[in-house]
Amino acid sequence: NAGVTQTPKFQVLKTGQSMTLQCAQDMNHNSMYWYRQDPGMGLRLIYYSASEGTTDKGEVPNGYNVSRLNKREFSLRLESAAPSQTSVYFCASSPNDRGLGETQYFGPGTRLLVL
Amino acid sequence: KNQVEQSPQSLIILEGKNCTLQCNYTVSPFSNLRWYKQDTGRGPVSLTIMTFSENTKSNGRYTATLDADTKQSSLHITASQLSDSASYICVVTSNAGKSTFGDGTTLTVKP
Repeated sequence: NAGVTQTPKFQVLKTGQSMTLQCAQDMNHNSMYWYRQDPGMGLRLIYYSASEGTTDKGEVPNGYNVSRLNKREFSLRLESAAPSQTSVYFCASSPNDRGLGETQYFGPGTRLLVL
Repeated sequence: KNQVEQSPQSLIILEGKNCTLQCNYTVSPFSNLRWYKQDTGRGPVSLTIMTFSENTKSNGRYTATLDADTKQSSLHITASQLSDSASYICVVTSNAGKSTFGDGTTLTVKP
């Protein structure tokens, strides 16, 4: 069991470039999440997917899009990267809906620098 | 607005010493509170979860307490080890299913 995996580990983009962050989990979890973590700040929810086929906005969705490709995979896309999107991005999953306040299992993170 | 405030922001202790981290919240109505440990360069890992009716819960050398009346929680680490150096994040979830993350306490354990 790899748990939650994320690719790439590191990425440098120029302002205006686009990219997709990939996330996959092998725990048969229903719910998946994308967070960003900035220095000295708590994790902030960007988007989440309570189950396959559904996605919902979190606290800071502007500038991002997501796709729940199947039960295992949940991708995060930056259409036109901005320096304000420089951050560490974490993907997480939980067995069921976040409304239950379940334990979330986090991936190792993707460090993104936008110049 | 639901808030979760953690203190201190950072803490340095010597190996073998005990320490206590604090978490105060205004989240209401309360569902549960979790403590996560985040090692540098890694994703957070859950340490413990506490529901409304629980006052104390232990996980090895980690003991979490909850006072739902005063909306305070603490995480006590006993006989600290170098591997305890990490950020500790308090997360409070409301009955509506919204989770609010604290900014974390960065603990450094020195030999």
